[in-house]
Amino acid sequence: DAGITQSPRHKVTETGTPVTLRCHQTENHRYMYWYRQDPGHGLRLIHYSYGVKDTDKGEVSDGYSVSRSKTEDFLLTLESATSSQTSVYFCAISEVGLQPQHFGDGTRLSIL
Amino acid sequence: GESVGLHLPTLSVQEGDNSIINCAYSNSASDYFIWYKQESGKGPQFIIDIRSNMDKRQGQRVTVLLNKTVKHLSLQIAATQPGDSAVYFCAEKATSYDKVIFGPGTSLSVIP
Repeated sequence: DAGITQSPRHKVTETGTPVTLRCHQTENHRYMYWYRQDPGHGLRLIHYSYGVKDTDKGEVSDGYSVSRSKTEDFLLTLESATSSQTSVYFCAISEVGLQPQHFGDGTRLSIL
Repeated sequence: GESVGLHLPTLSVQEGDNSIINCAYSNSASDYFIWYKQESGKGPQFIIDIRSNMDKRQGQRVTVLLNKTVKHLSLQIAATQPGDSAVYFCAEKATSYDKVIFGPGTSLSVIP
């Protein structure tokens, strides 16, 4: 399995609080992605990174920010969490070109 | 944006039979296709991929077929086993595009 670690694996927090999810890889892959997965919507891209300090938005980026200061770490931040951001969040990595993405095991986030 | 599939269909198969999971894609520029398997509580796991210059690719017990004329992709699983029970996602990517588009998935249930 690809060396991808997501932390925390589970989190419960309250509306309005900031939340940061971490994705750590040991594969030295250039690309890193954050997705959310909700029933009826499949996997939706939030943000992705194509290198250190290089990031771009996905289809559901509102309310989220990301940072990548090192190749191995990609952080997803919810500045002020809302109940609509309750979801399962997955990190993925890939190499350049036509290569598959490899996923972490997810973070289950509940916002009350 | 363009999407792969709309609803999450389900497929029930008797153990030992062959399974066929179908996927329609809409982006004619897509030239790389991937199948993932997602078990409960885990992240999607890469199964097999195919590039647009091929129409068939085989792996261990799995075969992917690509029909570019009708924009259709299928995953065939031979001698389906209970461990194959999961949600299966197809995904598409274009060379000129950093992002992967995921379908909503098909739930496969294997009857012992």
